[in-house]
Amino acid sequence: AQSVTQLGSHVSVSEGALVLLRCNYSSSVPPYLFWYVQYPNQGLQLLLKYTSAATLVKGINGFEAEFKKSETSFHLTKPSAHMSDAAEYFCAVSVGGNKLVFGAGTILRVKS
Amino acid sequence: GAGVSQTPSNKVTEKGKYVELRCDPISGHTALYWYRQSLGQGPEFLIYFQGTGAADDSGLPNDRFFAVRPEGSVSTLKIQRTERGDSAVYLCASSLTGTAYNEQFFGPGTRLTVL
Repeated sequence: AQSVTQLGSHVSVSEGALVLLRCNYSSSVPPYLFWYVQYPNQGLQLLLKYTSAATLVKGINGFEAEFKKSETSFHLTKPSAHMSDAAEYFCAVSVGGNKLVFGAGTILRVKS
Repeated sequence: GAGVSQTPSNKVTEKGKYVELRCDPISGHTALYWYRQSLGQGPEFLIYFQGTGAADDSGLPNDRFFAVRPEGSVSTLKIQRTERGDSAVYLCASSLTGTAYNEQFFGPGTRLTVL
């Protein structure tokens, strides 16, 4: 069965610092991987997705993620955090079907 | 254009009651999904529709949960004999074709509280 593990339920960074949110997946076949962001009282919004076209994926709002098969990872990064990045981030995998399997989420706090 | 909408945004009910949650997907999207998000957890898959039919209902927790999409657009999630453990945010999503790599567009959710 496919699964996703997000290391760190809470991450705190200073404004302007690097953001690194970790995601590891388990899959027996090449996966499609997604990062979603959820702002308070809003629906999930897609940040970026990996569909095997390129291992480094660029998304919205300056975020990017790198697919590393050898490490079964798909970590999310942003070079410089902004206050508006404070939200909850979810990594998800879709394999051989249509449903998404989500990680437990990481709440990002940005300190001024 | 309009996104996925869900009504009501909040629903408070008593244990044992019946509830219906509605989802209006993006126009033209053939695939529709229901997820449930409990406090502190990621969304969990409940059911997936392709057109009018339920293509995958493996996530429905028990037979108290049922969902329909009679005309291939609006969907209703129905919960009978609600229990306190059903309290969660119920999310609906739609995608253009239902292919695994297609983006799923999520609605804001319905927060269900069972007293």
